[in-house]
Amino acid sequence: DAKTTQPTSMDCAEGRAANLPCNHSTISGNEYVYWYRQIHSQGPQYIIHGLKNNETNEMASLIITEDRKSSTLILPHATLRDTAVYYCIALQMNNNAGNMLTFGGGTRLMVKP
Amino acid sequence: EAQVTQNPRYLITVTGKKLTVTCSQNMNHEYMSWYRQDPGLGLRQIYYSMNVEVTDKGDVPEGYKVSRKEKRNFPLILESPSPNQTSLYFCASISREGRETQYFGPGTRLLVL
Repeated sequence: DAKTTQPTSMDCAEGRAANLPCNHSTISGNEYVYWYRQIHSQGPQYIIHGLKNNETNEMASLIITEDRKSSTLILPHATLRDTAVYYCIALQMNNNAGNMLTFGGGTRLMVKP
Repeated sequence: EAQVTQNPRYLITVTGKKLTVTCSQNMNHEYMSWYRQDPGLGLRQIYYSMNVEVTDKGDVPEGYKVSRKEKRNFPLILESPSPNQTSLYFCASISREGRETQYFGPGTRLLVL
């Protein structure tokens, strides 16, 4: 799986959009970009994933650059409960469950009042 | 409600005293996995299972055993715990239809003295 690079930490004002960047310059054509988050000491929570096109769901939007070397997770209206560590992962989809998630350091997002 | 449960949530034990951490899912998923999380090391896979009676080692299997006698349960066994197994443990259940969604349990915090 391609290595991803994220800033260590970011701050965001409550109610504003949080834009979390991720670099994955070595991503291969069949690797998806996944985002998970982990609120302190809780189990990681799936947010969104995408391959080439931008994606949106009830939690967030994912913008992937045309060359797929980077992406941005957008939380449109951050709340205090969005304070968490956000993980960007490049993962090849296959039928082998041995291809499990590997979480790196992630970005610690602090949403401030 | 779809969920993964783990028990116990917190455990303090002594070196060498066998223990089992249970994991159960109610989503009829075939794939399940165990991770440990340590500061600075992220989430590392211990063991995974693709189906009943099918298990395989992850990245850090030493000192652990698992079993998968039935689809819903995937217990983690520490035959002779040591202090370096002090960690936060997560069980995950994976939807076969989409690798994108791994459901994580609430975590088990283990301290081995």
